[in-house]
Amino acid sequence: DAKTTQPPSMDCAEGRAANLPCNHSTISGNEYVYWYRQIHSQGPQYIIHGLKNNETNEMASLIITEDRKSSTLILPHATLRDTAVYYCIVASGGSNYKLTFGKGTLLTVNP
Amino acid sequence: GAVVSQHPSWVICKSGTSVKIECRSLDFQATTMFWYRQFPKQSLMLMATSNEGSKATYEQGVEKDKFLINHASLTLSTLTVTSAHPEDSSFYICSASDGDTEAFFGQGTRLTVV
Repeated sequence: DAKTTQPPSMDCAEGRAANLPCNHSTISGNEYVYWYRQIHSQGPQYIIHGLKNNETNEMASLIITEDRKSSTLILPHATLRDTAVYYCIVASGGSNYKLTFGKGTLLTVNP
Repeated sequence: GAVVSQHPSWVICKSGTSVKIECRSLDFQATTMFWYRQFPKQSLMLMATSNEGSKATYEQGVEKDKFLINHASLTLSTLTVTSAHPEDSSFYICSASDGDTEAFFGQGTRLTVV
């Protein structure tokens, strides 16, 4: 069973920030939060991951709450090409690494 | 990000035949590779995890004799769907990890069994 909870769908206006929430209240101390997205009929694309500190890269920012029970993926300036299903996944690193996908959030960016 | 290539992108086969799908990590050594399948409008379901040089670990409910996985090198894993039937038609996706960083996914293989 997936260990995360995400809203099934969200809408965002093009050019605006998209904030995608994820609850992971049962996360363990050695588990990371990973975000991937899947555009229709393609393999998932890695976005970002973090353990407890906020992270930022060229694609997005990841904000993890202090208690680590939830996080938010932020796409600062959404474009139409960001329309995809976004998956929030918690997983251990190293030799126990295994990604289990939940249902994700379908983000639709509107013109 | 790292590149993982899957081949073929799509394949149509007759019922009862076998189909092999290849997954290659092009610019890193993949100590672990994962195979998923995805039915329409559903999420990815993990089928098995394979480590280079050892037998794959299959998820509950996945028939290991039907879905043969070989991970003979650090850059190549193969999934063979044996005696394929129409219900095996699906989108098969591999991912690869070097054990230290995130996993990267192939572009997927659309299998249609007729």
